Amino acid sequence: SQQGEEDPQALSIQEGENATMNCSYKTSINNLQWYRQNSGRGLVHLILIRSNEREKHSGRLRVTLDTSKKSSSLLITASRAADTASYFCATDGGLKGAGSYQLTFGKGTKLSVIP
Amino acid sequence: NAGVTQTPKFRVLKTGQSMTLLCAQDMNHEYMYWYRQDPGMGLRLIHYSVGEGTTAKGEVPDGYNVSRLKKQNFLLGLESAAPSQTSVYFCASSYSSGEWGTGELFFGEGSRLTVL
Repeated sequence: SQQGEEDPQALSIQEGENATMNCSYKTSINNLQWYRQNSGRGLVHLILIRSNEREKHSGRLRVTLDTSKKSSSLLITASRAADTASYFCATDGGLKGAGSYQLTFGKGTKLSVIP
Repeated sequence: NAGVTQTPKFRVLKTGQSMTLLCAQDMNHEYMYWYRQDPGMGLRLIHYSVGEGTTAKGEVPDGYNVSRLKKQNFLLGLESAAPSQTSVYFCASSYSSGEWGTGELFFGEGSRLTVL
């Protein structure tokens, strides 16, 4: 069963606006990762945040993690048409120091950025 | 640098036929994975391997077998294909899991399988 659940399922915005996607999960985690998938392509890793981190930045991406609420958010600032894709969160649910060796993916948020 | 390569990219099978999907990575990664992606279901883990000669079951292993005879290759087999196995299959690889869990996954471009 899916560990992470993204919200919303679909999001449509104008170019230049910010896009925020949320992910909720059920069990304790070692880390949480975000991936992007362009239509018909494989997934590409965006960012990894450890369970002891609260915020992380990479270019126009900002990820937050709230382990008390078991949730994460991905913010894409100043969106571009090229950001149109599906975005997935993935969690490693093993205990610290004993990884589960696998990631569990959510169902994704489909982002459309209108030029 | 090819990264993760999957073959074939497309395949159509009849119910009951068998086939093997091949995944090859050139990054010397220890861990390799097979996922399937279905509409509205996200990615679900079929089998994975934490090193040459090892395999383990994921979330949806029934109807599939895997082998990791060489570190760079991870094979996914369907012994008797069923229409429910129509899906897009993704292979991925990663470095060893550290103190903070599984690292970044590198994905192939996918193999689209249709079972009639």
